[in-house]
Amino acid sequence: QSVLTQPPSASGTPGQRVTISCSGNSSNIGRNSVYWYQEVPGTAPKLLIFGSTQRPSGVPDRFSGSKSGTSASLAIRGLRSDDEADYYCASWDYTVSGHVVFGGGTRLTVL
Amino acid sequence: QLHLQESGPGLVQASETLSLTCVVSGGSVRAAGYYWAWIRQSPGKGLEWIGAVYYEGATYYNPSLRSRATIFLDKSKHQFSLNLTSVTAADTAMYFCVRDVLVPGALQTPWFDPWGPGSLVIVSS
Repeated sequence: QSVLTQPPSASGTPGQRVTISCSGNSSNIGRNSVYWYQEVPGTAPKLLIFGSTQRPSGVPDRFSGSKSGTSASLAIRGLRSDDEADYYCASWDYTVSGHVVFGGGTRLTVL
Repeated sequence: QLHLQESGPGLVQASETLSLTCVVSGGSVRAAGYYWAWIRQSPGKGLEWIGAVYYEGATYYNPSLRSRATIFLDKSKHQFSLNLTSVTAADTAMYFCVRDVLVPGALQTPWFDPWGPGSLVIVSS
């Protein structure tokens, strides 16, 4: 049972816009930034979004992040076949001396 | 360009200690502003943060693993390591080492970049 809640799956067709949600509470997302990772099967995860809304250099602007209260979202517009991957959100949680918490991951399928 | 590479035995006997090392190249583990962390992923499961160490030696651990995990730096060898004691089959996983960027004003943030390719560890009974 992950501390951050994500839908297990999402899907879309090429060119569409999809969003993936990440729900937490006042001990984590409510007080801290959210980070998003993309994991293509067989490869190490890759940072997509930091500070809830910022993209590292090299990440296309088709990817965007947002945060409101204790929830966050990752949006992907102009969906492409190579966006098919697992997506994870993460945040810092202030309970129990502080630790990093991840969402359970969302498997994105491009139909 | 910073590179991380995990190394260690791929097979560990149950009840023994799992030991992994991450060699850092293209940068220094002495650099201020970064934690060095371990994350694992059990087969078919999600990501689990194990813990992190700061260049000064301060550490944070996942509460569920705190009693068994130790993360430490070897500054002279530009590497950091993980020891996980009393392993069981539930510790079978891909183990990733990562650099964790510290945001000013924050205790720690899950800003993991880059990642090592990962090291698969199987616990056998």
